[in-house]
Amino acid sequence: DAKTTQPPSMDCAEGRAANLPCNHSTISGNEYVYWYRQIHSQGPQYIIHGLKNNETNEMASLIITEDRKSSTLILPHATLRDTAVYYCIVRAYVKGAGSYQLTFGKGTKLSVIP
Amino acid sequence: DADVTQTPRNRITKTGKRIMLECSQTKGHDRMYWYRQDPGLGLRLIYYSFDVKDINKGEISDGYSVSRQAQAKFSLSLESAIPNQTALYFCATSDFGGSTDTQYFGPGTRLTVL
Repeated sequence: DAKTTQPPSMDCAEGRAANLPCNHSTISGNEYVYWYRQIHSQGPQYIIHGLKNNETNEMASLIITEDRKSSTLILPHATLRDTAVYYCIVRAYVKGAGSYQLTFGKGTKLSVIP
Repeated sequence: DADVTQTPRNRITKTGKRIMLECSQTKGHDRMYWYRQDPGLGLRLIYYSFDVKDINKGEISDGYSVSRQAQAKFSLSLESAIPNQTALYFCATSDFGGSTDTQYFGPGTRLTVL
């Protein structure tokens, strides 16, 4: 399974862009990069996912490097409500199970500061 | 996500008691999952089900059992609760669409075993 590496914590000023990095140097060609966030023990919330191309939705943008070994989640205008733990996940295929298990690591705790 | 509901939201019980946590979804998804989260750690998969007749063990299934009563309902049971099963429990659903399988989570159940 491809592992991910994220900084344990980051700060961002309210109204500024928050750029959250993730390294996944062992990612396979058919594995997607997913981002979730968890706000204070609530259920994880899906943000965005991508394979090769950059992706954008109403919540965020995902920039994946050409070699796919790293990615960056961008929250364009961070608000206090974006304070959360952000998880970068490479979706792995669990052999023999036909499943795509999401493996959650420790993530990055993003603090948006007024 | 209001489309995935969990009951109860909080439960305190004693060692040796049988406990059932319930999950319901209105998203129409075939796949359902149970995860647990311990303080400061990521989520770990307990069981998952791809349809009513399909049940699979996850990473940490010992001490747990599940029942998929219908497409919309997936229950997790602790046959004889023990203190180290104190954790946050999350249910999730997904709808496999080709190569993507985005999971959506419920609000969680906080279980304390004394």
